[in-house]
Amino acid sequence: QVQLQESGPGLVKPSQTLSLTCTVSGGSISSGGYYWSWIRQHPGKGLEWIGYIYYSGSTYYNPSLKSRVTISVDTSKNQFSLKLSSVTAADTAVYYCARARIAAAAPDFDYWGQGTLVTVSS
Amino acid sequence: QSVLTQPPSASGTPGQRVTISCSGSSSNIGSNTVNWYQQLPGTAPKLLIYSNNQRPSGVPDRFSGSKSGTSASLAISGLQSEDEADYYCAAWDDSLNVWVFGGGTKLTVL
Repeated sequence: QVQLQESGPGLVKPSQTLSLTCTVSGGSISSGGYYWSWIRQHPGKGLEWIGYIYYSGSTYYNPSLKSRVTISVDTSKNQFSLKLSSVTAADTAVYYCARARIAAAAPDFDYWGQGTLVTVSS
Repeated sequence: QSVLTQPPSASGTPGQRVTISCSGSSSNIGSNTVNWYQQLPGTAPKLLIYSNNQRPSGVPDRFSGSKSGTSASLAISGLQSEDEADYYCAAWDDSLNVWVFGGGTKLTVL
């Protein structure tokens, strides 16, 4: 059974960089067939896709966040990471890592981490 | 404002059948498949329906999905108290080049 677990600071100061890591267990990131994703949910709101990465390093970002987002992968640790720069209070959200299963029609997010709340505040 | 439009709330009594709609456009639902996610209170979303109408292993057949044109629907039959959750539709948008989600529908079991 694949499991994903987010880790990182729960509090980030405005203008700084938010950094989170997702550790994958029960399966190898290098096995292919999946995009490794970050999705966030503002308090009491809906879901927003941030971006995803393939094990080879190819990345796909939400255009609205692209200038501030970097997603990277470390296959040796079976982890992938999110960096979001120049954060403001509007970036306060629960951040989820998820696996996107590549299928013939379109991917779907079939496994999710439990989520981690990141608050941007001084 | 979400790209995909869902009703903010829905309700039903145990045993009833409820449907949740998801309206989009030609660049998302009209040209790509729809997935549905269930988010129980305080938990992460869970894949409920993929490729418009397919259920992952372990999802009861009480849950079904359909798509027609630029709209999709999730139906839940034999409603149970444990179905009380938020439900989100999602699809890739070819114009925006982004995954778009509905705003979510809060299902209450009366």
